[in-house]
Amino acid sequence: EDKVVQSPLSLVVHEGDTVTLNCSYEVTNFRSLLWYKQEKKAPTFLFMLTSSGIEKKSGRLSSILDKKELFSILNITATQTGDSAIYLCAPQTGANNLFFGTGTRLTVIP
Amino acid sequence: DTGVSQDPRHKITKRGQNVTFRCDPISEHNRLYWYRQTLGQGPEFLTYFQNEAQLEKSRLLSDRFSAERPKGSFSTLEIQRTEQGDSAMYLCASRRTGGRDEQYFGPGTRLTVT
Repeated sequence: EDKVVQSPLSLVVHEGDTVTLNCSYEVTNFRSLLWYKQEKKAPTFLFMLTSSGIEKKSGRLSSILDKKELFSILNITATQTGDSAIYLCAPQTGANNLFFGTGTRLTVIP
Repeated sequence: DTGVSQDPRHKITKRGQNVTFRCDPISEHNRLYWYRQTLGQGPEFLTYFQNEAQLEKSRLLSDRFSAERPKGSFSTLEIQRTEQGDSAMYLCASRRTGGRDEQYFGPGTRLTVT
């Protein structure tokens, strides 16, 4: 059975801190892994990773995939209050649908 | 603005009533997905279409649920004889075949069954 586990479930940090969000997965016919950010609305796309060891970066956010150990991490440096959201990890299977984890709720305090 | 639109944004209905939601994907996207999200959970896949063909349905999609995409453009999701357990956010997403894998989500329809 497909499984995605994200940790921690929630996290409270102060502005300027660096955070690491974890995602481990076991899915059949893995194609890629996507990260989404969800505030009080629909998920918005952050990254897609298909190969191990390739670090994707976008400003203060970066992500790495390890296809051998079946996990991914999302790093956010110099956090801002606008980073407060739920971060969702979603492997995409060969069936082309996304299998979401429960997410990590990040709260950044001023 | 991702370009995927959903209507209505909110729906309150009484148990036993039928409801229908609409999703308009990004115009050049031929794949359309429906997900359901309950509080504290990530979105759960329900079904997806490639053009007008419904290619996969989750076992979460009971007999009371039906989805259509008659002309390969907009899609509808109908829930018959609603139950309180159907209360959730219903999300629609779209993407192009052969393009990058990311799906673009609409704002969702929040259903409350009383």
